Amino acid sequence: EAGVAQSPRYKIIEKRQSVAFWCNPISGHATLYWYQQILGQGPKLLIQFQNNGVVDDSQLPKDRFSAERLKGVDSTLKIQPAKLEDSAVYLCASSPFTEAFFGQGTRLTVV
Amino acid sequence: AQSVSQHNHHVILSEAASLELGCNYSYGGTVNLFWYVQYPGQHLQLLLKYFSGDPLVKGIKGFEAEFIKSKFSFNLRKPSVQWSDTAEYFCAVNAGGATNKLIFGTGTLLAVQP
Repeated sequence: EAGVAQSPRYKIIEKRQSVAFWCNPISGHATLYWYQQILGQGPKLLIQFQNNGVVDDSQLPKDRFSAERLKGVDSTLKIQPAKLEDSAVYLCASSPFTEAFFGQGTRLTVV
Repeated sequence: AQSVSQHNHHVILSEAASLELGCNYSYGGTVNLFWYVQYPGQHLQLLLKYFSGDPLVKGIKGFEAEFIKSKFSFNLRKPSVQWSDTAEYFCAVNAGGATNKLIFGTGTLLAVQP
């Protein structure tokens, strides 16, 4: 079974630039999560989709972050404009019900 | 709101020592509980899970965890650690229901010395 695919693996941008991350979940998984993991901390849930609808985005900084899930499959997470404190690993996970499967993550460095 | 706390941020053990990592959660209803592990340079992987039934669950690589409902705890244990267990360990809680929201603790970094 193919796992959760994320790209790119690494990204370095300057502050105030924009960046986008892509996630392809495991086929058939209805739930898709985006997490932000800052060094030394646990993953923080940014947004959760159920099929192509948003279930929870209470911790998404909506003034700069946006996310969409196309046709209930692939998802993109965008940051515009980026700040230094956005430097983190962005994790995508998918779930058929309760157990989540994670991708490798995208390591973002904002300089 | 759900929350998860892990008491040990950094643990250093010698090989063959026993391990216990604490995890407490705050949520009054039925929960699903997980321990995930992140080996250096790798993605998060499921170590074990509890949904219902026997509160003592066994996972991969000799790990086990005990769910104590009265204490809102789900501690991870291993009788004898190996150098290859060096990793970061995360406890996570899913309150299930309509939202299926998965919340993580802050993680415990385990270093096993040979």
